[in-house]
This record gives sequence, structure tokens and C-alpha cells, in this order.
Amino acid sequence: DTGVSQNPRHKITKRGQNVTFRCDPISEHNRLYWYRQTLGQGPEFLTYFQNEAQLEKSRLLSDRFSAERPKGSFSTLEIQRTEQGDSAMYLCASSPAYEQYFGPGTRLTVT
Amino acid sequence: AQKITQTQPGMFVQEKEAVTLDCTYDTSDQSYGLFWYKQPSSGEMIFLIYQGSYDEQNATEGRYSLNFQKARKSANLVISASQLGDSAMYFCLSGGYNKLIFGAGTRLAVHP
Repeated sequence: DTGVSQNPRHKITKRGQNVTFRCDPISEHNRLYWYRQTLGQGPEFLTYFQNEAQLEKSRLLSDRFSAERPKGSFSTLEIQRTEQGDSAMYLCASSPAYEQYFGPGTRLTVT
Repeated sequence: AQKITQTQPGMFVQEKEAVTLDCTYDTSDQSYGLFWYKQPSSGEMIFLIYQGSYDEQNATEGRYSLNFQKARKSANLVISASQLGDSAMYFCLSGGYNKLIFGAGTRLAVHP
């Protein structure tokens, strides 16, 4: 399967712990995006990479959030000192041009 | 700031009938894209259709068509011949390469 993959699919963590998610985009896509989706809502944009450069970052991305895309391939999203409000589905998408292809998401539960 | 408005939280349609899902957008960008995605209960986000702001013809993809009215800032999705498998959440999006803004979504239920 050559779609976007995300790991882990589910993560349960205690408040205050750090978590890291990984996204592997479709190999020829140079654009990569992270979104957050809470229950019953549409996804909210978090950040955008073109190759390894982080070109856009939402104000939603507090200083506890950091994303990287070393070498323009896979990307990681780290949340430090997790809070209960961070509980959500974290979606990654990659794009060759206009349309974005989404991964299955990582569901984070902060207890 | 960009904003997407989907005024229909839920819609019902009879199988084999057509349905229109509404979307209006607000952007100051000269060049932008409009998209529709489907999210079934399984959670994956599925790309349906794209319309560029400079495209003069309405986009079509199989049973999906996008009714683009630029002056009204409207980008409604029309699904023809609804199928039971069309039951899902539908999101309208607008944006460019750097980010996409999602609407709140419309939940479509197709009845047999």
C-alpha cells in the first residue's frame, strides 16, 4: 500500500507526559500537513512543510507542539507536557499539488 | 482570515435521488482552491473533488459535481444518484498550497 501512514494509530498518555507521532507521506509528495480533529468538529490546520522547510504554522500550535520533517521525507509531531485538551485525532496529509491525501490518523487520549 | 460555512449540520436523502450540500466561503486571496472531502464513520478522509478559483467550468468527478458561483462565494457539492455508501460526514474546504481551512461539516444519511 502506498498511501499515507501514521504511527501509532492510538496513544493513551498521562497528563504531563510527552508524546511523538510519526507520519510517512506518499513518497513522491513534497508537501506535508498536520491537522487536529476533535470529536464532532472539522479538522483544524496545524502546520505545513514543503520538503524539509516548515512554511506555515497555525497559532493553534502552542510552544508545547513541535513538528519536524528531516530530509523532506517522514514527519514527526511532538507534544510536550500533554494536557487533557490535547485529546484529539491528529491527521497527517501529503500532496503532490492541490488535493491532499490523508492518513488514518493518530488518536490521542490524555488521562 | 479564511472561513468556510456549511449551514446544514445534517441532511437526509432517499437512495438514488440527488442531494446538494451547501458551502460558502470567505477569502481575500485572489487564487484559491475549493475542495470537498468525505469522512465515513471509519474516520478516513477521502478526497472527492477540486475546483480552482480561476476555473470557469464547474468540476465534475463521476457522481460528484461542484456548483461554483464565484460572485456568491458559493461551492455547493451535488451528489447524483445517492447510494447507501454515501452516508458520511462531508467537509468543504478552501485554501492554497500552504493550508486548507475546513468547514464544520454536513452529516449525510442516505435512506433505502
